[in-house]
Amino acid sequence: DTAVSQTPKYLVTQMGNDKSIKCEQNLGHDTMYWYKQDSKKFLKIMFSYNNKELIINETVPNRFSPKSPDKAHLNLHINSLELGDSAVYFCASSLLLRTVPFFGPGTRLTVL
Amino acid sequence: DAKTTQPPSMDCAEGRAANLPCNHSTISGNEYVYWYRQIHSQGPQYIIHGLKNNETNEMASLIITEDRKSSTLILPHATLRDTAVYYCIVRVADNNAGNMLTFGGGTRLMVKP
Repeated sequence: DTAVSQTPKYLVTQMGNDKSIKCEQNLGHDTMYWYKQDSKKFLKIMFSYNNKELIINETVPNRFSPKSPDKAHLNLHINSLELGDSAVYFCASSLLLRTVPFFGPGTRLTVL
Repeated sequence: DAKTTQPPSMDCAEGRAANLPCNHSTISGNEYVYWYRQIHSQGPQYIIHGLKNNETNEMASLIITEDRKSSTLILPHATLRDTAVYYCIVRVADNNAGNMLTFGGGTRLMVKP
């Protein structure tokens, strides 16, 4: 019954590696998002994506790329991981572009 | 998006009403007020939102002042499980940018027995 799910829940990796975080929603929503919560607990939007348009927060490095195989999934690929990428990443989704986003449980990424 | 100001922390006794204030003095006429909370190690949870009228649902009530420059989230009977960080967010949802919410520091609510 999970509405927005993410895998893995924890991810520990070395600097320089490439990794992906998967997100799936079963709410029938057409817009999905990725947020990053850093060590200071601030949540920042990274991307907004629907089947028409990708909106990128201009502060996000191009090492981060969202990929959507279908409307229910939005995966986050990260290339050449850096120490500063360590954070909790949250996926969210909403119906159309105006309604309230619902968040997943988060993926804690630790880069060593 | 309008900036919001919230107290960094508040305490509330279990069973009592928790009133969480939020100032958003630069809010525009088409910006909504959203409230989310984040319980430790979980994803943000939607609570309630409104434009100018007061709103109530099974979780909380949202009181927006007539000039819309501030609002209060009310948890009528706080329980220990309501201990969380509460975020007040103002946002105009438009078709070009989706509902991309900007979270501030929030208020850490501690409900005590």
